[in-house]
Amino acid sequence: DAKTTQPPSMDCAEGRAANLPCNHSTISGNEYVYWYRQIHSQGPQYIIHGLKNNETNEMASLIITEDRKSSTLILPHATLRDTAVYYCIVRVEGTYKYIFGTGTRLKVLA
Amino acid sequence: GAVVSQHPSRVICKSGTSVKIECRSLDFQATTMFWYRQFPKQSLMLMATSNEGSKATYEQGVEKDKFLINHASLTLSTLTVTSAHPEDSSFYICSASLTGGRTGELFFGEGSRLTVL
Repeated sequence: DAKTTQPPSMDCAEGRAANLPCNHSTISGNEYVYWYRQIHSQGPQYIIHGLKNNETNEMASLIITEDRKSSTLILPHATLRDTAVYYCIVRVEGTYKYIFGTGTRLKVLA
Repeated sequence: GAVVSQHPSRVICKSGTSVKIECRSLDFQATTMFWYRQFPKQSLMLMATSNEGSKATYEQGVEKDKFLINHASLTLSTLTVTSAHPEDSSFYICSASLTGGRTGELFFGEGSRLTVL
């Protein structure tokens, strides 16, 4: 079973920040949080991952709460090409096995 | 980043035939690859873990005789859908991890869309 819960859908205006929440209340101390996105009919694309510190790269920022029970992916300036399904995943401890949840369908509006 | 490639990207076959899908890691060696399937408007469902040189590990409910997985080299895993039926029509996606395990990031292929008539 997936270890994360996400809202099924969100809309965001083009140029604005998109904040995608994820709940992972049962996460273990050494499990990482990963974010991927899937554009229609393509394979998932890696965005970012983190353990307990906030992370930033050229695509996004990841904010993890101090208790690690939830996180937020931030796309600072959403574009139409960011329309996709975003998956928050907790890596199964000790393996590379990912269990995908239902994800959030983000629609960026012009 | 590392590249994972799948072939074919689309395949249409008649009911009862077998179809092979290839997954290659192009610029790295992958001791472990994963196969997922995805139905329309649904999430990815893990089917099996493919281990180089050994038998695949299948998730509960996935028929191993139906979905044959072979991981004969560090850069190639194949999924064969045997005696395919219309209900096997789906989007099949593979992913691979880097040898050595220094990162948990997975690299995904482009996916292969199977349509069984």
